[in-house]
Order: sequence, then structure tokens, then C-alpha cells
Amino acid sequence: GDSVTQMEGPVTLSEEAFLTINCTYTATGYPSLFWYVQYPGEGLQLLLKATKADDKGSNKGFEATYRKETTSFHLEKGSVQVSDSAVYFCALRSPGNTPLVFGKGTRLSVIA
Amino acid sequence: EAQVTQNPRYLITVTGKKLTVTCSQNMNHEYMSWYRQDPGLGLRQIYYSMNVEVTDKGDVPEGYKVSRKEKRNFPLILESPSPNQTSLYFCASSPLEQTIGYTFGSGTRLTVV
Repeated sequence: GDSVTQMEGPVTLSEEAFLTINCTYTATGYPSLFWYVQYPGEGLQLLLKATKADDKGSNKGFEATYRKETTSFHLEKGSVQVSDSAVYFCALRSPGNTPLVFGKGTRLSVIA
Repeated sequence: EAQVTQNPRYLITVTGKKLTVTCSQNMNHEYMSWYRQDPGLGLRQIYYSMNVEVTDKGDVPEGYKVSRKEKRNFPLILESPSPNQTSLYFCASSPLEQTIGYTFGSGTRLTVV
């Protein structure tokens, strides 16, 4: 079945550091790929998405590119801020009325 | 405003006392789902529904019930709660379209003592 593997956290970075959170997936078809963010005490919010190979999703300075050849969708940000501290979830959704499949989440802490 | 509304946000209850967590969406979404979130285990799907009167088990359905009598509502029922159901619960909805992600509610933190 479909699955998503994220790098384990927690990840701790200094403000203005470069962020990469790795995400790889296994799917039988051509899924859509998503990154969600969960700030402390809140629900999950859609951060960005990509629906086909080589698409780049971007939002709030975060980017991720759909790489079919490596089955990856790594999340990057050039300069993180303290306000980016949150848990980040990678997810995929395959065709055919299927549910979202989530990775286990990666906790990011950014220190000033 | 398009949203998924869960109630209550916080609930403390005793073992065995039936409870219902409500979930409502105003986006006319066909798909609705319940998740629980536990430290180290990520999000685990409890039940989902593709449309009215259609529900299916997720990964961890034991001890839970759901119903989908109307498109907008998808309540989660714990008939006899136990301490291992202490968790953070999220409801989510979406269209059936693959390229659309979920909209999540704000969560319900349940404690069973």
C-alpha cells in the first residue's frame, strides 16, 4: 500500500539557518503530494502541494519539488524564523477516492 | 468562512461514560475522516466516510463508532471510553478530488480517567 517516510526529528536550527526536511514515498499510481504544518496547540494546515512530477509547491518561503525519479518531496526553506517552529507532515493522496496517507511528522524548533 | 468545526475542544471524562465528539463542515465536502494523534505515533486514521451513509474503518477503529446521516456532520462516538483513548482527535474533510488536500478542525483533546 501507499506509504510516506519522513526524517525523524526533532530538528533544531538557529534562526536564519537553511532547512531541509526529507520526505520519500511509495505509491502505485501517480499521487498528489502535500506538506502540512501544525503549530503548537493548533490543527493541521495545508502548507503547500504538488500534483504532478516536476511541479514545485511553494508558500511562506517554503518550497518542495515533486521528484518522481527519486519518489521524493523534500521541504526546504532558505532562512527559518522562530515562528516556523512547528510539526511538519508530508502526505500523499493517490487517485481513486483514496484517503490522505501521512508521514509521522517532523518537529522543528528554531532558536533565536 | 470555510471551516471544519469540532466540539468540544477539551473534554475530561471517566471510564465507561459514553461520549460524542461532533464534527461539522460547511464546504459541501463528500469526504470526512477522524484521526487521533499520539506522541511518537503520528496521525492514525480511525474512520472515514466517502459520502452520506458510507463509512469505512481506518487503521485504529476499535472502541469507536461513527455515523454520516447528513453530508455536513460526522460525529465520533465512544460508547465506553477507556484510558487508552486519551488522545488528541482531529476531524478533516475534503472533496473526493485527489489533488485537493484536507481541511482540518482545531482538534479535541480528550482525557479519560
